[in-house]
Amino acid sequence: NAGVTQTPKFQVLKTGQSMTLQCAQDMNHNSMYWYRQDPGMGLRLIYYSASEGTTDKGEVPNGYNVSRLNKREFSLRLESAAPSQTSVYFCASMGTGLEGYTFGSGTRLTVV
Amino acid sequence: DAKTTQPNSMESNEEEPVHLPCNHSTISGTDYIHWYRQLPSQGPEYVIHGLTSNVNNRMASLAIAEDRKSSTLILHRATLRDAAVYYCILRLIQGAQKLVFGQGTRLTINP
Repeated sequence: NAGVTQTPKFQVLKTGQSMTLQCAQDMNHNSMYWYRQDPGMGLRLIYYSASEGTTDKGEVPNGYNVSRLNKREFSLRLESAAPSQTSVYFCASMGTGLEGYTFGSGTRLTVV
Repeated sequence: DAKTTQPNSMESNEEEPVHLPCNHSTISGTDYIHWYRQLPSQGPEYVIHGLTSNVNNRMASLAIAEDRKSSTLILHRATLRDAAVYYCILRLIQGAQKLVFGQGTRLTINP
């Protein structure tokens, strides 16, 4: 099925470890986004990529890096995980025009 | 980014209509009104959007006030599967096209 695929779905890290969250979309969308959602809260934008080859900071970029590998893939990297980064991470994509975003099913990350 | 205000929670009964309000008094002429919903343990899902005129689709209807300072998402016949957090978001038609989520309205549907 067409959509946004995120891997892994669950991950437990120790403080200081690094990892990369993967996101891929097969809808030929130009823009891709990474959000985090803490318990009981709305989503907050970490980084986004308006088009292939460009990335920009969102609301809460500290502690994260991103790579827009190609038009399909947008990865989020935690270089040195901290307990404050325990959250659910959502990737989204959007094409040109006014259609809605398509979100992935999320990665639940716990940092102990 | 212009701000939206929604009630924290609402409750309704199954098979009855639900009207979810949203205030956006600082909306600009280039802002579209978008609605998303988030079912438990899932990512947000696009519901509907509009600019000035009322809009209908298979999921819901969007009623926009004449001055555009408020809008209402209408679920015509709620089911238990409509229990979710509903987000009202303003989105520029140009620029980075970022979605800025507020707290949303948690909708509970009673059987």
